[in-house]
Amino acid sequence: EDQVTQSPEALRLQEGESSSLNCSYTVSGLRGLFWYRQDPGKGPEFLFTLYSAGEEKEKERLKATLTKKESFLHITAPKPEDSATYLCAVQAGGNTPLVFGKGTRLSVIA
Amino acid sequence: SQTIHQWPATLVQPVGSPLSLECTVEGTSNPNLYWYRQAAGRGLQLLFYSVGIGQISSEVPQNLSASRPQDRQFILSSKKLLLSDSGFYLCAWRPGTGNTIYFGEGSWLTVV
Repeated sequence: EDQVTQSPEALRLQEGESSSLNCSYTVSGLRGLFWYRQDPGKGPEFLFTLYSAGEEKEKERLKATLTKKESFLHITAPKPEDSATYLCAVQAGGNTPLVFGKGTRLSVIA
Repeated sequence: SQTIHQWPATLVQPVGSPLSLECTVEGTSNPNLYWYRQAAGRGLQLLFYSVGIGQISSEVPQNLSASRPQDRQFILSSKKLLLSDSGFYLCAWRPGTGNTIYFGEGSWLTVV
């Protein structure tokens, strides 16, 4: 069974304090790993797709990396507007739906 | 560009009443369509997905149903709501040839 585990469940950072969120996964034949940002009361917003181990992608203060067992979302010098829940999801081979983790709730304090 | 519309945004319904949530996608053809439910502390739960008109796959047995009467229209229904149906419902779509899923703004359902 495909599984995604995100840690920590919640993270509180001071503005400018860099950190990383973890997404561990088990899947038979990874087709893609996805990161989303979700603000309270809103639908998830797509951030990145990673396809193979060693791949990295960046967007502003966010950088996502992928290994064969996990992915990290690095947040460099975060700002209060980065506060949100970050969701990780994986897709196995074929036309299978995404399997989501429960998310990490990030709070950045000014 | 592609856009997804989901309505209503909020809904308060009594137990035993019917439900209809609607979702439409613009700017694409033959998308894969999904209904998710998000409950506090439980993450995103896939309810239904569809790869084409009239083709519905159910992931979780419950008193909800889904229909796809047109290529870019996806409807979530119930004949009689339960208290446990309360939650945040999200419609999503994926291009037929792509991998990434894009979400609508969601519908808050409170069953009282």
